[in-house]
Amino acid sequence: KNEVEQSPQNLTAQEGEFITINCSYSVGISALHWLQQHPGGGIVSLFMLSSGKKKHGRLIATINIQEKHSSLHITASHPRDSAVYICVFNSGGSNYKLTFGKGTLLTVNP
Amino acid sequence: GAGVSQSPSNKVTEKGKDVELRCDPISGHTALYWYRQSLGQGLEFLIYFQGNSAPDKSGLPSDRFSAERTGGSVSTLTIQRTQQEDSAVYLCASSSGTPQNSPLHFGNGTRLTVT
Repeated sequence: KNEVEQSPQNLTAQEGEFITINCSYSVGISALHWLQQHPGGGIVSLFMLSSGKKKHGRLIATINIQEKHSSLHITASHPRDSAVYICVFNSGGSNYKLTFGKGTLLTVNP
Repeated sequence: GAGVSQSPSNKVTEKGKDVELRCDPISGHTALYWYRQSLGQGLEFLIYFQGNSAPDKSGLPSDRFSAERTGGSVSTLTIQRTQQEDSAVYLCASSSGTPQNSPLHFGNGTRLTVT
């Protein structure tokens, strides 16, 4: 039984499109992170959130704790946004263990 | 300042040999995590260290894997008697606090190939 599900697994978009990547989880969490991994590149932390919504440039992350669901949105997508996007959560308390989603491969075509 | 540094960036070894992978976290970061990513797979938790607490080793796949963190800073991941299924990118991350309040900072990883 997977504790976290990301959808879609793969997403192809045209430059300028609005992108949504979803992350659903089945356990109580204290915080959720969104990460970005470019092909052959390192992993960068995009957001850390435990409630509500955060915005950074063209990226927006939302979380609904009651519904156990988070979304990552990209407005006015660009080919440089092509990457794998991964949601990660922590169950809180004294447990620092992180559970990773399998990632969503986004390809933005010019 | 410097980010999380991992060395070597690439390691090719023969099956049965031991390897050591090193992670230098960001100075002052109390939490340090090791993960691995096999080809086409997601990230797999291996172990984490938090301050002076006993590490959580629950993700280590076998007793051939061990890790230590000296002085609360540098960490080494050791794989003994390597097997071909150990081939993966081994990633280290550090954080200044808890996952609830601190972002994660990842190194660029060590690509291990066991021939």
